[in-house]
Amino acid sequence: EAEVAQSPRYKITEKSQAVAFWCDPISGHATLYWYRQILGQGPELLVQFQDESVVDDSQLPKDRFSAERLKGVDSTLKIQPAELGDSAMYLCASSSLRYNEQFFGPGTRLTVL
Amino acid sequence: AQKITQTQPGMFVQEKEAVTLDCTYDTSDPSYGLFWYKQPSSGEMIFLIYQGSYDQQNATEGRYSLNFQKARKSANLVISASQLGDSAMYFCAVFQDAGGTSYGKLTFGQGTILTVHP
Repeated sequence: EAEVAQSPRYKITEKSQAVAFWCDPISGHATLYWYRQILGQGPELLVQFQDESVVDDSQLPKDRFSAERLKGVDSTLKIQPAELGDSAMYLCASSSLRYNEQFFGPGTRLTVL
Repeated sequence: AQKITQTQPGMFVQEKEAVTLDCTYDTSDPSYGLFWYKQPSSGEMIFLIYQGSYDQQNATEGRYSLNFQKARKSANLVISASQLGDSAMYFCAVFQDAGGTSYGKLTFGQGTILTVHP
């Protein structure tokens, strides 16, 4: 069964360092999402791609976060510099159509020390 | 902004009993989609069930059913015959299309932790 892949699964870093997360969506899924989930809360959308274009990054802290999906397939989310408040689970999801079910990857659990 | 309310931080149920997880939402848009996801302690989000705002029938998927009351803006999840493996966090989410060339997004509630006792 096709799955959304994410790496790494766990990342520990010190504040002010740079971190990067990778996501490979289900083949053929044009829409890709990055969410941040703080412990005990629901996921919050950071950025949404349609193919290689960003269609919503209104909640992305652009001073330190960046996201790209250069060829419209896999995607990278970067944080530079990381802050203590960035500790969270970062989830990637993909869907084939806007209204369709979003399939989530296993997530990357980030701890900033 | 879209607001999703899950009023039960935690719920307990005996194995083989049914349980209802509450969800209310706040939208003025007539067209939207309702989703429920399960998140075990391992972290992955697992899709359970979907209901479109124009669907006349309540959605069902195996042991999961969605009690959709549109006028009350309520979309409660019913799990029948609970199993130990159902212990997890459950999230209600609403997809609202921004329309035109804009893209809508999925907004999640705060979640309900379900514990199934043997």
